[in-house]
Amino acid sequence: AQKITQTQPGMFVQEKEAVTLDCTYDTSDQSYGLFWYKQPSSGEMIFLIYQGSYDEQNATEGRYSLNFQKARKSANLVISASQLGDSAMYFCAMREDYTGGFKTIFGAGTRLFVKA
Amino acid sequence: DTGVSQDPRHKITKRGQNVTFRCDPISEHNRLYWYRQTLGQGPEFLTYFQNEAQLEKSRLLSDRFSAERPKGSFSTLEIQRTEQGDSAMYLCASSSTEGGETQYFGPGTRLLVL
Repeated sequence: AQKITQTQPGMFVQEKEAVTLDCTYDTSDQSYGLFWYKQPSSGEMIFLIYQGSYDEQNATEGRYSLNFQKARKSANLVISASQLGDSAMYFCAMREDYTGGFKTIFGAGTRLFVKA
Repeated sequence: DTGVSQDPRHKITKRGQNVTFRCDPISEHNRLYWYRQTLGQGPEFLTYFQNEAQLEKSRLLSDRFSAERPKGSFSTLEIQRTEQGDSAMYLCASSSTEGGETQYFGPGTRLLVL
């Protein structure tokens, strides 16, 4: 079964508007972490935001915020005031802890297109 | 902090040849990870090191793949007898156990096997 599901292969947003990228996850662990990364066409993965499973408040980093709904197992990324430079692939990822270490699993990604 | 670096950035090789990639993590990071990413997919975990110890290997890492981190600093990923299916982006990332475990990625090595 997929551990990280990103149901939107592509999204369009008008410049200066907000956009929400969906991510749902599946785990039986109590301790885990959720990440969002941006991958522009250059290929480098750029860390955006992190949410720990025990964090009670939604994480925010500048124009990025993570809408964490633990009971629904969702961790949606909200980008406010979209800019043309936000056009890229966005990946949701989950760190699963287990005895002896941990593993990070990525979703298939959502391609965001920002229109001028 | 110079970030994670990878070398080479691009590699074209013929099927059957061996290739080796290098990753230099952020200097104070004790954990290092290798991922493979094919077109249109998210990165797939291959292996990770804590200091010089290789603690986890994915089933994706066939016996043609080997990774080392001999002194707990840089790491190498070698692919022997390359196949066309090995064509992908190979990403390296590093993290610190004291830094919230956020992984910071390098620019990747794009491999094309002809």
